[in-house]
Amino acid sequence: SQKIEQNSEALNIQEGKTATLTCNYTNYSPAYLQWYRQDPGRGPVFLLLIRENEKEKRKERLKVTFDTTLKQSLFHITASQPADSATYLCALGRGGGSYIPTFGRGTSLIVHP
Amino acid sequence: GAVVSQHPSWVICKSGTSVKIECRSLDFQATTMFWYRQFPKQSLMLMATSNEGSKATYEQGVEKDKFLINHASLTLSTLTVTSAHPEDSSFYICSAKKRGGVETQYFGPGTRLLVL
Repeated sequence: SQKIEQNSEALNIQEGKTATLTCNYTNYSPAYLQWYRQDPGRGPVFLLLIRENEKEKRKERLKVTFDTTLKQSLFHITASQPADSATYLCALGRGGGSYIPTFGRGTSLIVHP
Repeated sequence: GAVVSQHPSWVICKSGTSVKIECRSLDFQATTMFWYRQFPKQSLMLMATSNEGSKATYEQGVEKDKFLINHASLTLSTLTVTSAHPEDSSFYICSAKKRGGVETQYFGPGTRLLVL
């Protein structure tokens, strides 16, 4: 069955460092992958989308890589700040008109001042 | 922008009552809206997809008679939890897709439902 794995343990890092979150998947051939941020008691907020034919995408302090051979995406936040503390969800979609992605459980990031 | 609102943000009700949750796209037309449920530390679970003017498509295991969805206009979808029970207590989140938009969904802030 399809499986999306995100580290269930919280990632604790120091302010200013680069945070790296991992999203692994099995039994899935996604056409695209998305990353969302979710704060406690709030809905997710879209951050980045990367397609299967793209290796890397950047947006300000965010960088996403997508390796379809390893079946993995890495999400990086450079120069992290306490305000970056949240849960980050990855979501995979098949494309081809099927625009409903499947979400992972998310990884909690805690940036310490 | 692409703002989606939900109302109410939280609700407490007695077992057996029905609860209606509204989802509105404030600054765009949403041809498709989605309803999710999320339990603590769990992933978003898609409940149903609704297209404006047509019946909702429910995911396997979701009772359509219990979770009534109406998508009467391009900016409004409602989810009614009928005869709510404590096990229906959860965080309900809607999202909307823009007309002609690509894969991005815009999520509402969520509604916390507690059934006593």
